[in-house]
Amino acid sequence: QKEVEQDPGPLSVPEGAIVSLNCTYSNSAFQYFMWYRQYSRKGPELLMYTYSSGNKEDGRFTAQVDKSSKYISLFIRDSQPSDSATYLCASRGTGRRALTFGSGTRLQVQP
Amino acid sequence: DTAVSQTPKYLVTQMGNDKSIKCEQNLGHDTMYWYKQDSKKFLKIMFSYNNKELIINETVPNRFSPKSPDKAHLNLHINSLELGDSAVYFCASSLGKTGALGETQYFGPGTRLLVL
Repeated sequence: QKEVEQDPGPLSVPEGAIVSLNCTYSNSAFQYFMWYRQYSRKGPELLMYTYSSGNKEDGRFTAQVDKSSKYISLFIRDSQPSDSATYLCASRGTGRRALTFGSGTRLQVQP
Repeated sequence: DTAVSQTPKYLVTQMGNDKSIKCEQNLGHDTMYWYKQDSKKFLKIMFSYNNKELIINETVPNRFSPKSPDKAHLNLHINSLELGDSAVYFCASSLGKTGALGETQYFGPGTRLLVL
């Protein structure tokens, strides 16, 4: 079993839809949670960073972490065709810098 | 101005060959990483260096040997290439401190390796 599980998609939505992307993790030591976005043939780039449980909002993006259920979510409001990419969740414990990534969910926003 | 650069971008080679991938960052970061991304987009840490010191060495065949001549460079040498080594290899760097600013990893564009 992978430490971070993510539905690979693809997920196809119309422009303007609210998108919900989710991950589950198994390692109770994970404290830091991130979402990276990866466009085709590019390296991942950080979208959201959260520590422990709770919500964090940044523009159209909201990240949620529920440590009791080991569930990580990313919501995208008013989705745009430019949001079409693969979204990778990532986590790590304290002390260890390396991230454990999910396998990514491919999102397509149709104009 | 590229923050994290990798060379080459594409590498096609025969099984059994030895090849190197180079990575350079101009961000002044202390920590650098090598990741392997397979065909299913699964991104897995291989190595990490902090100020030229190896701090993470995952379960990777010893045919893979990283080398950090200085903190701005982290190279990856692969001996006796195998078909299963075909993947995209990403270099990344971070400040190496806790917190969003400190540990945001900046990724290079990737090196697409195809072993025939």
